[in-house]
Amino acid sequence: EAGVTQSPRYAVLQEGQAVSFWCDPISGHDTLYWYQQPRDQGPQLLVYFRDEAVIDNSQLPSDRFSAVRPKGTNSTLKIQSAKQGDTATYLCASSFQGRNTEVFFGKGTRLTVV
Amino acid sequence: AQSVTQPDARVTVSEGASLQLRCKYSYFGTPYLFWYVQYPRQGLQLLLKYYPGDPVVQGVNGFEAEFSKSNSSFHLRKASVHWSDWAVYFCAVSMNTGGLSGKLTFGEGTQVTVIS
Repeated sequence: EAGVTQSPRYAVLQEGQAVSFWCDPISGHDTLYWYQQPRDQGPQLLVYFRDEAVIDNSQLPSDRFSAVRPKGTNSTLKIQSAKQGDTATYLCASSFQGRNTEVFFGKGTRLTVV
Repeated sequence: AQSVTQPDARVTVSEGASLQLRCKYSYFGTPYLFWYVQYPRQGLQLLLKYYPGDPVVQGVNGFEAEFSKSNSSFHLRKASVHWSDWAVYFCAVSMNTGGLSGKLTFGEGTQVTVIS
């Protein structure tokens, strides 16, 4: 079974540039999560979807970050006008809603903003 | 709101020695608890999970963890460490909404270094 796939693996931007991250979850998983993991810290949830609907985006910096999952499968996370403080690894994860389900993580996209 | 504290940022252990990583959680009720491992340039991999039931849970690669409601803890243990256990370990908690919500709150992580 293929795992959660993310691209690109790495990105380097100057402040003010925009970037998009792409995630392909495990086939059949209805729930998709985006986490931000700053260097030497634990992951922090940004947003998650069930099918195409946003369930919780309370931790997403809405002025510069946006996330979509239009068909309830793949998802894109976009940062407009990146800042140095956005430097982190962005992890995508997926699961199937139900009792005692497990969350599976992709390898992440490491973003450096200079 | 739930939270997780891993008091040890770094632990160094000799190969073959035992290992314990500490995790304290804050949650009203009985949570779901997890230990994940992160190898360099890899995603998070699940080591083990606790769902309400037996307080001692077995995971992969000889890891086990014990849940204590009275101490609000979920410590990870391994009897004999191998060099391949060199990684960062994260404890995480998820709300119990009558089932697993999948929305995880992570601790800061513990870097484990294995020396020969």
